[in-house]
Amino acid sequence: QQPVQSPQAVILREGEDAVINCSSSKALYSVHWYRQKHGEAPVFLMILLKGGEQMRHEKISASFNEKKQQSSLYLTASQLSYSGTYFCGTDTGTASKLTFGTGTRLQVTL
Amino acid sequence: DAGITQSPRHKVTETGTPVTLRCHQTENHRYMYWYRQDPGHGLRLIHYSYGVKDTDKGEVSDGYSVSRSKTEDFLLTLESATSSQTSVYFCAVERENTGELFFGEGSRLTVL
Repeated sequence: QQPVQSPQAVILREGEDAVINCSSSKALYSVHWYRQKHGEAPVFLMILLKGGEQMRHEKISASFNEKKQQSSLYLTASQLSYSGTYFCGTDTGTASKLTFGTGTRLQVTL
Repeated sequence: DAGITQSPRHKVTETGTPVTLRCHQTENHRYMYWYRQDPGHGLRLIHYSYGVKDTDKGEVSDGYSVSRSKTEDFLLTLESATSSQTSVYFCAVERENTGELFFGEGSRLTVL
């Protein structure tokens, strides 16, 4: 079952902050975050492991709440280059592979 | 970009015809994946491989088969294409020590 992402879409002005959430109904071993720009392939941002630390990629950080099977991606002081669709991928750690959410479309405007 | 190339990048075919998509990698990654991407569904796993001749099904494998006779090549075959298989197909490889996926540029398939 696919993880649920929220919101589905968000529009920001440059410099504003945003939070994207990813929630699973299953116990998770890790959560991945990817960003995809229009017409391009998804690009890896970060992995959060069970029991691991909060991760950061430039001004983007993420957290993983193992008890709630939830992860959040925090985009701080957004830039135009942050525009794209963000996907979380969840791994239950039982020889299964990543299951991706349906994505959150982020648009940053001037 | 992890040295991944997909071919063809674009293909238009008719219902009932066979189609093969190729994924080629140059960095010797053990794990390779085929995903399809459709509006409203995100990325869904079709099949994956964990070594030469070792493959397994993903969540949307019906109507697809795969083969991996060499480490560098992972082929996805639609035996008899249907309109519901119109999609963008992405190949990915996994960096084993980190779990990070690197995606190819995608193959856009249209089945008329």
